[in-house]
Amino acid sequence: EPEVTQTPSHQVTQMGQEVILRCVPISNHLYFYWYRQILGQKVEFLVSFYNNEISEKSEIFDDQFSVERPDGSNFTLKIRSTKLEDSAMYFCASSDGGEAFFGQGTRLTVV
Amino acid sequence: AQSVSQHNHHVILSEAASLELGCNYSYGGTVNLFWYVQYPGQHLQLLLKYFSGDPLVKGIKGFEAEFIKSKFSFNLRKPSVQWSDTAEYFCAVNPGLSGSARQLTFGSGTQLTVLP
Repeated sequence: EPEVTQTPSHQVTQMGQEVILRCVPISNHLYFYWYRQILGQKVEFLVSFYNNEISEKSEIFDDQFSVERPDGSNFTLKIRSTKLEDSAMYFCASSDGGEAFFGQGTRLTVV
Repeated sequence: AQSVSQHNHHVILSEAASLELGCNYSYGGTVNLFWYVQYPGQHLQLLLKYFSGDPLVKGIKGFEAEFIKSKFSFNLRKPSVQWSDTAEYFCAVNPGLSGSARQLTFGSGTQLTVLP
């Protein structure tokens, strides 16, 4: 069964450093998403991406964040100058216009 | 903007008990409705979805949900839970027509613990 894969599964970074979270969406999907879940809180939408551009973004997705589809398979989330409050589980998802399929997540810990 | 409420934060049941998890949403237009499950240490998996048609939808592992438009509800049910159903359950909605690729809005989740 096709699946969304995310790497790394866990990333620890120092405050102020940049991180790149990587995702490989399902191959025939055209819509890509990033969500995050801070420990003990609900899953929050960050950004959606379609046709090589951002289609929607939330208030959380400020200038600190960026997304890119550098090639035909990867979809990345970059967080510049990480803050302690960026510590969360980050989920990538993809869809073909229907239901979203989620990856296993990257746990980001900012110390 | 749409919002989703899950009123039960933690539900504890014994095996074979019946389950109903509440989900209410607020949005004035057409919505697509989903229930996702997150087993410990795993990713979000789709349990079931409602796009249109029969408001009673059946999903995997014996789960079902009923869309009641007048109550803005999409409650999840299972007649007899198993220990393996222990997980966190998330209700989610997105606006638009069937299968819309719009962003999902999640509820806060309900942790279900099934005692053997």
